[in-house]
Amino acid sequence: NAGVTQTPKFQVLKTGQSMTLQCAQDMNHNSMYWYRQDPGMGLRLIYYSASEGTTDKGEVPNGYNVSRLNKREFSLRLESAAPSQTSVYFCASSDSGRGNQPQHFGDGTRLSIL
Amino acid sequence: QKEVEQNSGPLSVPEGAIASLNCTYSDRGSQSFFWYRQYSGKSPELIMFIYSNGDKEDGRFTAQLNKASQYVSLLIRDSQPSDSATYLCAVRNSGYSTLTFGKGTMLLVSP
Repeated sequence: NAGVTQTPKFQVLKTGQSMTLQCAQDMNHNSMYWYRQDPGMGLRLIYYSASEGTTDKGEVPNGYNVSRLNKREFSLRLESAAPSQTSVYFCASSDSGRGNQPQHFGDGTRLSIL
Repeated sequence: QKEVEQNSGPLSVPEGAIASLNCTYSDRGSQSFFWYRQYSGKSPELIMFIYSNGDKEDGRFTAQLNKASQYVSLLIRDSQPSDSATYLCAVRNSGYSTLTFGKGTMLLVSP
């Protein structure tokens, strides 16, 4: 069972470069989420998509854009990377249409901005 | 801003003891509560969820919920060194599919 798949697993960028993080889930979930995790800050929601065709800002959306490409895929784009965006990024999905269902996480992308 | 508070730890317990992890939350309308375990360098892994007041048991894990006090806890019985990890409390935001996470409590179980 693949679950939630994120690519790439590691990436190093230079300040000002752009990059898209990819996420795909095979659980037929309708909701998908992007988080960042920094030491001492916990998991913070960047953007989410409650259902195909909708996206909404989370707690820390500045500097990011998202695209819900279809029900399976939800991408996160950094248009002009900054050192402050160095973090571990997690994608998650949930079957929110069935009530109080948990979120399931991918393995993460470790991103360093130099 | 909805908040979820956890003691950062580390909480140190000897092997075989009961570990007690606590969490408080600010969103009084929250209905769903989740505990995730995260090993160093890995992604969060769901271990328990609870929706109703009282206790819910699953193997060595017991989740406890008190909505009136806005408090949720996780008990780990017969703690093992393999339980050493960071435990994240997550609360579903009322009216949304999103979760607010606490910053996590690090648990260290010594042999």
